[in-house]
Amino acid sequence: DAGVIQSPRHEVTEMGQEVTLRCKPISGHDYLFWYRQTMMRGLELLIYFNNNVPIDDSGMPEDRFSAKMPNASFSTLKIQPSEPRDSAVYFCASRPSGRVPTGELFFGEGSRLTVL
Amino acid sequence: TQLLEQSPQFLSIQEGENLTVYCNSSSVFSSLQWYRQEPGEGPVLLVTVVTGGEVKKLKRLTFQFGDARKDSSLHITAAQPGDTGLYLCAGPIQGAQKLVFGQGTRLTINP
Repeated sequence: DAGVIQSPRHEVTEMGQEVTLRCKPISGHDYLFWYRQTMMRGLELLIYFNNNVPIDDSGMPEDRFSAKMPNASFSTLKIQPSEPRDSAVYFCASRPSGRVPTGELFFGEGSRLTVL
Repeated sequence: TQLLEQSPQFLSIQEGENLTVYCNSSSVFSSLQWYRQEPGEGPVLLVTVVTGGEVKKLKRLTFQFGDARKDSSLHITAAQPGDTGLYLCAGPIQGAQKLVFGQGTRLTINP
């Protein structure tokens, strides 16, 4: 399997622009998670989906952030408008159901976002 | 406030030395996981500890889960440059399907 695939790997944009990050989870994995990593705050869970349905979005910082999962093989995280404080590495992770909640999370390589 | 506190935050030692890093909480966890993250990559699972007092070994790495299931430690024997990375502990939030992570220990092993 190819693993969790994220795009773009790097994104540099200007404040106020819309940013869309994409994720393809591992086939057969029912859970998908979006995390944000910064030096100051570490890895923070933003939102997670189960069977394409958003379950918990309490970590989404504010209304500028939105996430969708239109099908089992694709999810997006959108920031509109972007701000410099959104600069971070955004990770997508997936895992199968069954051995929850101790199941292994499989992470993508991340999308490094820089907002100028 | 972090639910999982890791210490030290940074550690730089010479190849061949031993080290221990810690993951502590005031809360009880049903299990704890340890991940390692290398630059430019996502975290990768090393081990899951489930039972209080459990010890697991992975080559030169020894993981221990506290008896009260509130803390865990990672001990590395004879550290090598390949051990360099960010070590993260993570635990499931009670009754939820999600993992909360500590801020990590950034380990550097100098040749």
